[in-house]
Amino acid sequence: DTAVSQTPKYLVTQMGNDKSIKCEQNLGHDTMYWYKQDSKKFLKIMFSYNNKELIINETVPNRFSPKSPDKAHLNLHINSLELGDSAVYFCASTSTGNTEAFFGQGTRLTVV
Amino acid sequence: KQEVTQIPAALSVPEGENLVLNCSFTDSAIYNLQWFRQDPGKGLTSLLLIQSSQREQTSGRLNASLDKSSGRSTLYIAASQPGDSATYLCAPQGNTPLVFGKGTRLSVIA
Repeated sequence: DTAVSQTPKYLVTQMGNDKSIKCEQNLGHDTMYWYKQDSKKFLKIMFSYNNKELIINETVPNRFSPKSPDKAHLNLHINSLELGDSAVYFCASTSTGNTEAFFGQGTRLTVV
Repeated sequence: KQEVTQIPAALSVPEGENLVLNCSFTDSAIYNLQWFRQDPGKGLTSLLLIQSSQREQTSGRLNASLDKSSGRSTLYIAASQPGDSATYLCAPQGNTPLVFGKGTRLSVIA
C-alpha cells in the first residue's frame, strides 16, 4: 500500500494550458510538501502546508497554487503553463516535529 | 537560510569497496537529518533518519553519522554493490522543510 501517491506519473501538455497534479498520503501525517526537481536534478521546495499554515517559497510564480481538500491530500494546480515549468514534481509528507519524511514517485511534467 | 553541500558530486568505485559520502549544512538548528537514495527516473527512498540528539544510525550496510554542532553528516556504505548505484541525497530538517543538497552520484562497477 503506497504511503504517498501522486497522479499522473507523466503529464504532457501544451503551453498555456491549466493542469493539476494530485497527491495523497495514507500515513496520517499533518504536513505535506511540493518539491520541484529541475533538469539539473536539484530539488527545491515549492510549498509547505499543514492544517494551520501554508508557506510559499517566494520564488514560486503565482501561477502555481496548492489546494488541500483535507489533511490527506495536497494537489498542485498550475495555470498558464510555460516551457520552463517542465520538470519532475514531487509530493512529500511528514508529521510536525521530528519524524521521517516520505516522498511520492514524482510526476514528470513536459510542456510543449 | 539552510544551505547543503554534498561532496563528492560523483563517485565511481569497484564493487566491494567501502565508501564515505559527505554532507555539510550551514544551519545547525535542525530536528533531524535524512539520507535518501534516488534511482534514475524514480522517486526518493528514505535510507536513514538521524535525530538531532543521535550521533549515528545504522541500517544493514549503511551507517550515517551526525555532528550537529559542526554541521556535518556522513553516510558510510560498506562492501558496495552494483545495486548501490544511485544518487544519494542528504536533507536536514529544522523549522523549515527538508533542504536538499545536489547529491552524490554513485556508480559501483562490477
